[in-house]
Amino acid sequence: DAKTTQPPSMDCAEGRAANLPCNHSTISGNEYVYWYRQIHSQGPQYIIHGLKNNETNEMASLIITEDRKSSTLILPHATLRDTAVYYCIVRDPTAYSGAGSYQLTFGKGTKLSVIP
Amino acid sequence: SQTIHQWPATLVQPVGSPLSLECTVEGTSNPNLYWYRQAAGRGLQLLFYSVGIGQISSEVPQNLSASRPQDRQFILSSKKLLLSDSGFYLCAWSVRLAGARNEQFFGPGTRLTVL
Repeated sequence: DAKTTQPPSMDCAEGRAANLPCNHSTISGNEYVYWYRQIHSQGPQYIIHGLKNNETNEMASLIITEDRKSSTLILPHATLRDTAVYYCIVRDPTAYSGAGSYQLTFGKGTKLSVIP
Repeated sequence: SQTIHQWPATLVQPVGSPLSLECTVEGTSNPNLYWYRQAAGRGLQLLFYSVGIGQISSEVPQNLSASRPQDRQFILSSKKLLLSDSGFYLCAWSVRLAGARNEQFFGPGTRLTVL
């Protein structure tokens, strides 16, 4: 799985859009970008994923640059409940190299604090 | 919609005691199931995964074991807990697709403290 780089922390005012960047300059052609988040003392939560087109669901939007070397997760109207650590990972869902292929490896992520 | 349950939510156990954590998934069939451990301030460690009833793969040698007696039930056990078994235990599931490692959906977790 390719390496990602995220800012360690960000603040966002409640009700405003939260834009969380992720750099993945070594991403390969078959690797997707996945976003998860982990609210304190809870299990990780899947948010969204994409390959090269922008994606939107009920939780967020994912914008992937044309060269696919970076992406941005957008929470359009952040609430206090969105305060969490957000993880960006890149994976090729079809690559299988043994049992360890299922391991989800999160980096340090971005700690998003939504401020009232 | 699919939901995943874990219990208990918290557990305090003495060293040397047995352990049984249960995970069940609703709203899907034939899922892949996973047990992870997250130690304080650290990342996720995959302990076991299962692609079907009775099929368990272990990622790390340890005093823990897993079983899948039913399609949507995954159990994590130990005969004798160690202090190092303390942590946040997470069960997860994913849609089973041949040759694909797709997104995983996590349960609420069990926080285990071994004293």
